[in-house]
Amino acid sequence: GENVEQHPSTLSVQEGDSAVIKCTYSDSASNYFPWYKQELGKGSQLIIDIRSNVGEKKDQRIAVTLNKTAKHFSLHITETQPEDSAVYFCAASYAGGGNKLTFGTGTQLKVEL
Amino acid sequence: DTGVSQDPRHKITKRGQNVTFRCDPISEHNRLYWYRQTLGQGPEFLTYFQNEAQLEKSRLLSDRFSAERPKGSFSTLEIQRTEQGDSAMYLCASSLIDRGLEAFFGQGTRLTVV
Repeated sequence: GENVEQHPSTLSVQEGDSAVIKCTYSDSASNYFPWYKQELGKGSQLIIDIRSNVGEKKDQRIAVTLNKTAKHFSLHITETQPEDSAVYFCAASYAGGGNKLTFGTGTQLKVEL
Repeated sequence: DTGVSQDPRHKITKRGQNVTFRCDPISEHNRLYWYRQTLGQGPEFLTYFQNEAQLEKSRLLSDRFSAERPKGSFSTLEIQRTEQGDSAMYLCASSLIDRGLEAFFGQGTRLTVV
């Protein structure tokens, strides 16, 4: 089955700096890679996703890059703000197989003033 | 559209008791997923439904666990003879096949087995 590894487990940045979270996956059949932001009391919110036919996707301050050959993908947050503080999870799935997600272990991001 | 709703939000039960959780997906979403999340880990897939059909179950779903989605709308997850190792957050998510791959998650039910 699929295995997703995520690093780092904690990340502390100064407000305005950039944050990068990296994930690797094992199953070459995986073709969908979402990122979720998890906050206490708010559940998990999809912040960006990418499919395997695209190498990069950007949405305002958030971007995701995918390297299929190396089986890794990364989340980039620029101009971080205190409200970006949360736990971020990467995930991978094979869209043709029910799209069940395999998650990484999460990154606790703290944006300090 | 009120999002995915889960009930209860918290449940404390004694070991050996049965518990049942409910998930109401976003209206008209035809796929419904159950995940389990323990402290410091990412969510782990348990099972999913497409309409009322349960299409896949994880090996994590022991015989004590059963899930139903009788009318293709809400779903229930029952755990029989709970064990301390069942303590976790149980998450429900739903999606609409024709609208892409995004899965919307509920806030979860936190189960504590004492």
